[in-house]
Amino acid sequence: DAGVTQSPTHLIKTRGQQVTLRCSPISGHKSVSWYQQVLGQGPQFIFQYYEKEERGRGNFPDRFSARQFPNYSSELNVNALLLGDSALYLCASSLTRTGGRTGELFFGEGSRLTVL
Amino acid sequence: GQQLNQSPQSMFIQEGEDVSMNCTSSSIFNTWLWYKQEPGEGPVLLIALYKAGELTSNGRLTAQFGITRKDSFLNISASIPSDVGIYFCAGQLSRGAQKLVFGQGTRLTINP
Repeated sequence: DAGVTQSPTHLIKTRGQQVTLRCSPISGHKSVSWYQQVLGQGPQFIFQYYEKEERGRGNFPDRFSARQFPNYSSELNVNALLLGDSALYLCASSLTRTGGRTGELFFGEGSRLTVL
Repeated sequence: GQQLNQSPQSMFIQEGEDVSMNCTSSSIFNTWLWYKQEPGEGPVLLIALYKAGELTSNGRLTAQFGITRKDSFLNISASIPSDVGIYFCAGQLSRGAQKLVFGQGTRLTINP
């Protein structure tokens, strides 16, 4: 069975550009979450989407946006890129939108973004 | 924001040794989770803890949910080379929300 898949795996952008990252959840999973992992730190929560609606948002500026499609895949968009946006962006999926055993998160391998 | 303090930040051990790492927080969590991350990969769930005081094992790994709900530890017994990686603790603030708060990670290096 396919796990969480993310694309692209690596990309390089320059300051001020915009980027779109894509995620396909595990089959049957309806919740998708996005995390940012800066080098040397733990992942930080950006968004959670469930049934195409935003269910949670972390402490990130409005330059960060996301959406979820009817097939439960998701996109993360970042506008006006800054050097500090360089990070590994992780997508995670789960069966349900809440915590507990059915809410356990399964992570993809991430998209590594470098901003020059 | 919410923070988890994870220690130690790094460990250098000999193969076969036991490993212990822990996580503390000023906040109460309903769920504690332990993840392992290897280079080029996303975090992989090792153990999930749902009740205060709960002790759970997964092979050579054992984790406990602190009775105050503000801490957790992870032990690895008889370490082997494939245990190398970064171990993260993560807390979930309430049962209704899925957001995880991660620690800074413990980097484990094993000398054969």
